[in-house]
Amino acid sequence: AQTVTQSQPEMSVQEAETVTLSCTYDTSESDYYLFWYKQPPSRQMILVIRQEAYKQQNATENRFSVNFQKAAKSFSLKISDSQLGDAAMYFCAYRITHRNSGNTPLVFGKGTRLSVIA
Amino acid sequence: EPEVTQTPSHQVTQMGQEVILRCVPISNHLYFYWYRQILGQKVEFLVSFYNNEISEKSEIFDDQFSVERPDGSNFTLKIRSTKLEDSAMYFCANLPYEQYFGPGTRLTVT
Repeated sequence: AQTVTQSQPEMSVQEAETVTLSCTYDTSESDYYLFWYKQPPSRQMILVIRQEAYKQQNATENRFSVNFQKAAKSFSLKISDSQLGDAAMYFCAYRITHRNSGNTPLVFGKGTRLSVIA
Repeated sequence: EPEVTQTPSHQVTQMGQEVILRCVPISNHLYFYWYRQILGQKVEFLVSFYNNEISEKSEIFDDQFSVERPDGSNFTLKIRSTKLEDSAMYFCANLPYEQYFGPGTRLTVT
Protein backbone atom coordinates (compact mmCIF):
# COMPACT_ATOMS: atom_id res chain seq x y z
CA ALA A 1 0.00 0.00 0.00
CA GLN A 2 1.11 3.51 -0.73
CA THR A 3 1.92 5.68 2.27
CA VAL A 4 2.95 9.28 2.67
CA THR A 5 4.93 10.41 5.70
CA GLN A 6 5.38 13.94 6.94
CA SER A 7 7.75 13.76 9.89
CA GLN A 8 7.37 17.36 11.03
CA PRO A 9 4.03 17.95 12.78
CA GLU A 10 4.88 21.62 13.26
CA MET A 11 7.34 24.08 11.79
CA SER A 12 7.89 27.79 12.21
CA VAL A 13 9.70 30.36 10.12
CA GLN A 14 10.47 34.04 10.40
CA GLU A 15 8.80 36.28 7.90
CA ALA A 16 10.92 36.69 4.75
CA GLU A 17 13.00 33.62 5.59
CA THR A 18 13.03 30.23 3.88
CA VAL A 19 11.57 27.02 5.24
CA THR A 20 11.59 23.44 3.99
CA LEU A 21 8.84 20.94 4.74
CA SER A 22 9.70 17.26 4.44
CA CYS A 23 7.74 14.44 2.85
CA THR A 24 8.62 10.86 2.07
CA TYR A 25 6.49 8.25 0.42
CA ASP A 26 6.46 4.56 -0.15
CA THR A 27 5.39 3.03 -3.43
CA SER A 28 6.31 0.27 -5.85
CA GLU A 29 4.91 2.24 -8.76
CA SER A 30 7.14 4.07 -11.21
CA ASP A 31 4.58 6.46 -12.65
CA TYR A 32 2.82 8.82 -10.26
CA TYR A 33 2.15 12.40 -9.24
CA LEU A 34 3.15 14.17 -6.07
CA PHE A 35 1.46 17.24 -4.63
CA TRP A 36 1.62 19.80 -1.89
CA TYR A 37 -1.67 21.22 -0.66
CA LYS A 38 -2.16 24.17 1.63
CA GLN A 39 -5.03 24.22 4.10
CA PRO A 40 -5.58 27.59 5.79
CA PRO A 41 -7.93 28.00 8.77
CA SER A 42 -10.88 28.10 6.34
CA ARG A 43 -10.01 24.42 5.71
CA GLN A 44 -10.16 24.84 1.95
CA MET A 45 -7.72 22.53 0.17
CA ILE A 46 -5.55 24.62 -2.13
CA LEU A 47 -3.11 23.05 -4.55
CA VAL A 48 0.33 24.60 -4.13
CA ILE A 49 2.48 22.58 -6.49
CA ARG A 50 2.52 19.36 -8.48
CA GLN A 51 5.34 17.11 -9.65
CA GLU A 52 5.17 14.34 -12.22
CA ALA A 53 7.46 11.47 -11.26
CA TYR A 54 8.77 11.04 -14.80
CA LYS A 55 10.11 14.59 -14.83
CA GLN A 56 13.58 15.06 -13.42
CA GLN A 57 13.24 18.82 -13.20
CA ASN A 58 11.91 20.06 -9.89
CA ALA A 59 8.60 21.93 -10.08
CA THR A 60 8.51 25.61 -9.16
CA GLU A 61 5.60 27.98 -8.57
CA ASN A 62 6.73 31.48 -7.66
CA ARG A 63 8.06 31.27 -4.07
CA PHE A 64 7.31 27.55 -3.81
CA SER A 65 9.64 24.89 -5.11
CA VAL A 66 10.20 21.21 -4.51
CA ASN A 67 13.20 18.96 -4.13
CA PHE A 68 12.13 15.69 -5.71
CA GLN A 69 14.45 12.77 -5.09
CA LYS A 70 12.83 9.78 -6.79
CA ALA A 71 15.34 7.17 -5.71
CA ALA A 72 15.05 8.27 -2.11
CA LYS A 73 11.27 8.70 -2.43
CA SER A 74 11.52 12.17 -1.00
CA PHE A 75 9.51 15.24 -1.95
CA SER A 76 10.23 18.32 0.13
CA LEU A 77 8.63 21.74 -0.25
CA LYS A 78 10.68 24.91 0.02
CA ILE A 79 8.94 28.20 0.70
CA SER A 80 11.09 31.22 0.04
CA ASP A 81 10.50 34.74 1.34
CA SER A 82 7.85 33.44 3.74
CA GLN A 83 4.80 35.61 4.22
CA LEU A 84 2.23 35.76 7.00
CA GLY A 85 -0.34 34.37 4.58
CA ASP A 86 1.72 31.21 4.20
CA ALA A 87 0.73 30.13 7.71
CA ALA A 88 -1.38 27.00 7.27
CA MET A 89 -1.39 23.21 7.34
CA TYR A 90 0.55 21.74 4.47
CA PHE A 91 -0.26 18.28 3.19
CA CYS A 92 1.89 16.17 0.95
CA ALA A 93 -0.09 13.83 -1.33
CA TYR A 94 0.53 11.13 -3.88
CA ARG A 95 -1.45 9.62 -6.71
CA ILE A 96 -0.72 6.79 -9.11
CA THR A 97 -0.95 7.64 -12.76
CA HIS A 98 -2.60 5.01 -14.90
CA ARG A 99 -2.13 5.44 -18.61
CA ASN A 100 -5.75 4.73 -19.51
CA SER A 101 -7.47 6.07 -16.44
CA GLY A 102 -7.29 9.11 -14.24
CA ASN A 103 -9.35 7.37 -11.64
CA THR A 104 -6.91 7.03 -8.77
CA PRO A 105 -7.49 8.72 -5.43
CA LEU A 106 -5.04 10.91 -3.59
CA VAL A 107 -3.17 9.53 -0.59
CA PHE A 108 -2.32 12.22 1.94
CA GLY A 109 0.25 12.60 4.67
CA LYS A 110 -0.74 13.78 8.13
CA GLY A 111 0.30 17.34 7.50
CA THR A 112 2.72 19.93 8.82
CA ARG A 113 1.44 23.02 10.58
CA LEU A 114 3.50 26.01 9.50
CA SER A 115 3.60 29.15 11.61
CA VAL A 116 5.06 32.37 10.25
CA ILE A 117 6.52 34.74 12.81
CA ALA A 118 6.41 38.45 12.09
CA GLU B 1 -11.58 29.70 -13.17
CA PRO B 2 -14.33 27.10 -12.69
CA GLU B 3 -15.16 26.10 -9.14
CA VAL B 4 -16.51 23.11 -7.31
CA THR B 5 -19.22 24.18 -4.88
CA GLN B 6 -20.56 22.39 -1.82
CA THR B 7 -23.63 22.88 0.33
CA PRO B 8 -24.22 23.31 3.16
CA SER B 9 -21.02 24.80 4.48
CA HIS B 10 -21.88 23.55 7.97
CA GLN B 11 -24.37 20.91 9.01
CA VAL B 12 -25.26 20.03 12.58
CA THR B 13 -27.24 16.84 13.12
CA GLN B 14 -28.18 14.47 15.88
CA MET B 15 -26.75 11.01 16.09
CA GLY B 16 -28.85 8.54 14.12
CA GLN B 17 -30.17 11.12 11.69
CA GLU B 18 -29.64 11.01 7.93
CA VAL B 19 -27.65 13.75 6.25
CA ILE B 20 -27.14 14.58 2.61
CA LEU B 21 -24.14 16.59 1.54
CA ARG B 22 -24.25 18.20 -1.87
CA CYS B 23 -21.60 19.04 -4.41
CA VAL B 24 -21.80 20.74 -7.75
CA PRO B 25 -18.72 19.61 -9.64
CA ILE B 26 -17.24 21.09 -12.74
CA SER B 27 -19.54 19.64 -15.35
CA ASN B 28 -17.08 18.59 -18.00
CA HIS B 29 -14.85 16.64 -15.66
CA LEU B 30 -15.48 12.94 -15.51
CA TYR B 31 -14.27 11.75 -12.12
CA PHE B 32 -15.82 12.79 -8.85
CA TYR B 33 -14.46 12.04 -5.44
CA TRP B 34 -15.44 12.39 -1.82
CA TYR B 35 -12.83 12.79 0.88
CA ARG B 36 -13.17 13.12 4.63
CA GLN B 37 -11.01 14.93 7.16
CA ILE B 38 -11.59 14.37 10.85
CA LEU B 39 -10.48 17.44 12.78
CA GLY B 40 -6.73 17.48 13.26
CA GLN B 41 -6.17 14.46 11.07
CA LYS B 42 -5.23 13.78 7.48
CA VAL B 43 -7.54 13.81 4.50
CA GLU B 44 -8.87 10.35 3.67
CA PHE B 45 -10.40 9.01 0.49
CA LEU B 46 -13.99 7.80 0.72
CA VAL B 47 -15.28 7.03 -2.74
CA SER B 48 -14.86 7.80 -6.42
CA PHE B 49 -17.63 8.04 -8.95
CA TYR B 50 -17.41 7.73 -12.71
CA ASN B 51 -20.06 7.44 -15.37
CA ASN B 52 -22.83 7.47 -12.76
CA GLU B 53 -21.54 4.61 -10.69
CA ILE B 54 -19.06 3.97 -7.93
CA SER B 55 -15.62 3.28 -9.32
CA GLU B 56 -13.67 2.73 -6.13
CA LYS B 57 -14.35 2.97 -2.42
CA SER B 58 -12.29 2.83 0.72
CA GLU B 59 -12.93 0.72 3.81
CA ILE B 60 -14.37 3.81 5.46
CA PHE B 61 -17.20 3.85 2.92
CA ASP B 62 -19.44 1.25 4.53
CA ASP B 63 -23.15 0.57 4.13
CA GLN B 64 -24.04 3.77 5.96
CA PHE B 65 -22.72 5.80 3.03
CA SER B 66 -24.09 6.20 -0.46
CA VAL B 67 -23.42 8.50 -3.39
CA GLU B 68 -25.67 9.61 -6.18
CA ARG B 69 -25.83 11.98 -9.07
CA PRO B 70 -29.56 12.59 -8.96
CA ASP B 71 -29.99 15.15 -11.71
CA GLY B 72 -26.87 14.96 -13.83
CA SER B 73 -25.21 17.93 -12.18
CA ASN B 74 -25.41 17.67 -8.39
CA PHE B 75 -23.44 14.98 -6.70
CA THR B 76 -24.54 13.85 -3.24
CA LEU B 77 -23.07 11.95 -0.33
CA LYS B 78 -25.62 10.46 2.03
CA ILE B 79 -24.96 9.15 5.50
CA ARG B 80 -27.97 7.12 6.56
CA SER B 81 -27.58 7.00 10.33
CA THR B 82 -24.92 9.36 11.55
CA LYS B 83 -22.53 8.50 14.34
CA LEU B 84 -20.44 10.79 16.50
CA GLU B 85 -17.33 9.68 14.65
CA ASP B 86 -18.79 10.92 11.36
CA SER B 87 -18.08 14.47 12.54
CA ALA B 88 -15.57 15.77 10.00
CA MET B 89 -15.02 17.97 6.99
CA TYR B 90 -16.26 16.37 3.81
CA PHE B 91 -14.71 17.48 0.53
CA CYS B 92 -15.80 16.68 -2.96
CA ALA B 93 -13.31 16.99 -5.77
CA ASN B 94 -13.05 16.75 -9.52
CA LEU B 95 -9.95 14.79 -10.33
CA PRO B 96 -7.58 14.21 -12.07
CA TYR B 97 -7.55 17.99 -12.14
CA GLU B 98 -6.25 18.23 -8.64
CA GLN B 99 -6.83 21.88 -8.04
CA TYR B 100 -10.56 21.41 -8.05
CA PHE B 101 -11.48 20.66 -4.46
CA GLY B 102 -14.72 22.06 -3.13
CA PRO B 103 -14.65 24.27 -0.04
CA GLY B 104 -15.94 21.43 2.11
CA THR B 105 -18.92 20.76 4.36
CA ARG B 106 -18.29 20.68 8.07
CA LEU B 107 -20.49 17.99 9.60
CA THR B 108 -21.06 18.02 13.34
CA VAL B 109 -22.88 15.07 14.88
CA THR B 110 -24.14 15.62 18.42
